[in-house]
Amino acid sequence: GIQVEQSPPDLILQEGANSTLRCNFSDSVNNLQWFHQNPWGQLINLFYIPSGTKQNGRLSATTVATERYSLLYISSSQTTDSGVYFCAGTNSGGYQKVTFGIGTKLQVIP
Amino acid sequence: ETGVTQTPRHLVMGMTNKKSLKCEQHLGHNAMYWYKQSAKKPLELMFVYNFKEQTENNSVPSRFSPECPNSSHLFLHLHTLQPEDSALYLCASSQGSVRAYEQYFGPGTRLTVT
Repeated sequence: GIQVEQSPPDLILQEGANSTLRCNFSDSVNNLQWFHQNPWGQLINLFYIPSGTKQNGRLSATTVATERYSLLYISSSQTTDSGVYFCAGTNSGGYQKVTFGIGTKLQVIP
Repeated sequence: ETGVTQTPRHLVMGMTNKKSLKCEQHLGHNAMYWYKQSAKKPLELMFVYNFKEQTENNSVPSRFSPECPNSSHLFLHLHTLQPEDSALYLCASSQGSVRAYEQYFGPGTRLTVT
């Protein structure tokens, strides 16, 4: 079955610091995505990144599909970056069911 | 604002109550999803509706009953719940289930079962 593993489980950063979050996934996973869930529960799709690198402001993501991992980079972190970051993928079959990792809980302190 | 709304945002109910959660999407999507999010666990897919037809029931107990009257609305009817059903329930939508990787999520309903 699909497996999506994230590390670290928890992370505390000083405001302004940079960080890297990692997602390892099994070889049956396609359509890798990164989400951010804010402290109030709202889940926002950050990147759809099955392979390659994308950047959006202070966030960027890289997926190396051949080695089955993805990285999310947060630069110059801000307190509003706090929350839980999830990676997720779909199965490679005809029906696309999204499987989420357990998440990395990030706290950015002033 | 993601274009997906959920009501109520918070719900406290007893084990003998019957209540319903509502989800509405304003994105013109054709697929809608219910997820359960419990503490320290990954999001669990519960149900998927594609063009109003249920295409996934992820072994969810019958005390949870979904309803999708049209592509814009999705309900989750709750009855005789257990305390372990307390969780954040998230609704999402996408342009067809084949584009499940482009889901937009609602803000969730935080459910407490007493």
